Amino acid sequence: EAQVTQNPRYLITVTGKKLTVTCSQNMNHEYMSWYRQDPGLGLRQIYYSMNVEVTDKGDVPEGYKVSRKEKRNFPLILESPSPNQTSLYFCASSPRTGRLYEQYFGPGTRLTVT
Amino acid sequence: GQQVMQIPQYQHVQEGEDFTTYCNSSTTLSNIQWYKQRPGGHPVFLIQLVKSGEVKKQKRLTFQFGEAKKNSSLHITATQTTDVGTYFCAGSMDSNYQLIWGAGTKLIIKP
Repeated sequence: EAQVTQNPRYLITVTGKKLTVTCSQNMNHEYMSWYRQDPGLGLRQIYYSMNVEVTDKGDVPEGYKVSRKEKRNFPLILESPSPNQTSLYFCASSPRTGRLYEQYFGPGTRLTVT
Repeated sequence: GQQVMQIPQYQHVQEGEDFTTYCNSSTTLSNIQWYKQRPGGHPVFLIQLVKSGEVKKQKRLTFQFGEAKKNSSLHITATQTTDVGTYFCAGSMDSNYQLIWGAGTKLIIKP
């Protein structure tokens, strides 16, 4: 089944404890992206990647890191999480760069930082 | 920065009534996409509009892209309980490959 998977689905952590949220897609998509979703703010892009070893900042990259060493994986790293990073995170992939192709979303990761 | 404004934020309707959400951009868009997110779920792609003045239909859903490619709307005729969720528009400019998302309109069916 074609899908985008994220792990973990739920995470509660404390301020400053490094964490990684994994994202994997099995559709051979070139484009991958991370979003955070907060009430009333819609989806805000954190980072995106147009292909392996190519990543770029989105609208809200501060406090996050990503890497794209393989086409299928695009992990999101929070080196020192803070409470303002409590949010719902979505990974998405697309066959090409995002402009003309729909994005396929993972199920989401709900992160709470205390 | 570049923004896509989406209104209303919420819309309460009786089952069977119509629903409309609107998106407006200050700059010309190259295309606009619409997504639906069910409660507790993830956004799911509905449709993409590319041409000026384009109108597309999917059963009870009608999508429009304005002549100036700065606005778009989604209209649902005779809402059903399965339509409940948040509807997002997302547009992109010719100058980049990023999608700019509206804040979403939550469709709520009154009991």
